[in-house]
Amino acid sequence: AQTVTQSQPEMSVQEAETVTLSCTYDTSESDYYLFWYKQPPSRQMILVIRQEAYKQQNATENRFSVNFQKAAKSFSLKISDSQLGDAAMYFCAYRWLPGNQFYFGTGTSLTVIP
Amino acid sequence: NAGVMQNPRHLVRRRGQEARLRCSPMKGHSHVYWYRQLPEEGLKFMVYLQKENIIDESGMPKERFSAEFPKEGPSILRIQQVVRGDSAAYFCASSPPFGRGQETQYFGPGTRLLVL
Repeated sequence: AQTVTQSQPEMSVQEAETVTLSCTYDTSESDYYLFWYKQPPSRQMILVIRQEAYKQQNATENRFSVNFQKAAKSFSLKISDSQLGDAAMYFCAYRWLPGNQFYFGTGTSLTVIP
Repeated sequence: NAGVMQNPRHLVRRRGQEARLRCSPMKGHSHVYWYRQLPEEGLKFMVYLQKENIIDESGMPKERFSAEFPKEGPSILRIQQVVRGDSAAYFCASSPPFGRGQETQYFGPGTRLLVL
């Protein structure tokens, strides 16, 4: 069974500092995709970054980058130069194709301290 | 290019009433997914539809819940005889039918259902 675990219910970071959010997953598949979504107070789900499991290179989107360790089934999100607008719930998600659904973790609430 | 649209954004129903939630996918997307988010939890898959077909409804309760995606118009998630436990945020997502990007789902703003 596919499961996604986020072991940090809450995290905080000083503005302009760097923070890393953890995510582990369990799967027997070799080809899959991993995602980080951000859910601000508006509760809109916003795609932050995406990683294909067959790619060894870690994905990067501006201040957001991932550390993908396939053997360890770990997929952490690093936010550099944190901004007040980064405050939100962050969800890690897994998808296997041709499977139909995303599997979400329980989320990490990130607070950015001015 | 408009994103995924959902309406209403907020819906209040009394126990026993029906709730109808609508979702219009992004332009060019023909795959629609519905998820439910209970307070303090992640999103849980309910159903996956393509035009006029339910592909996977493994996450949907067997009773009171139904979904459709007609040839014309939005996808509809219908909850009959709502109970307080149905209070949640319901998210719709869409993805393109094939090619690069088909693995990514783009979410709408959600519908918050409150059952009194």
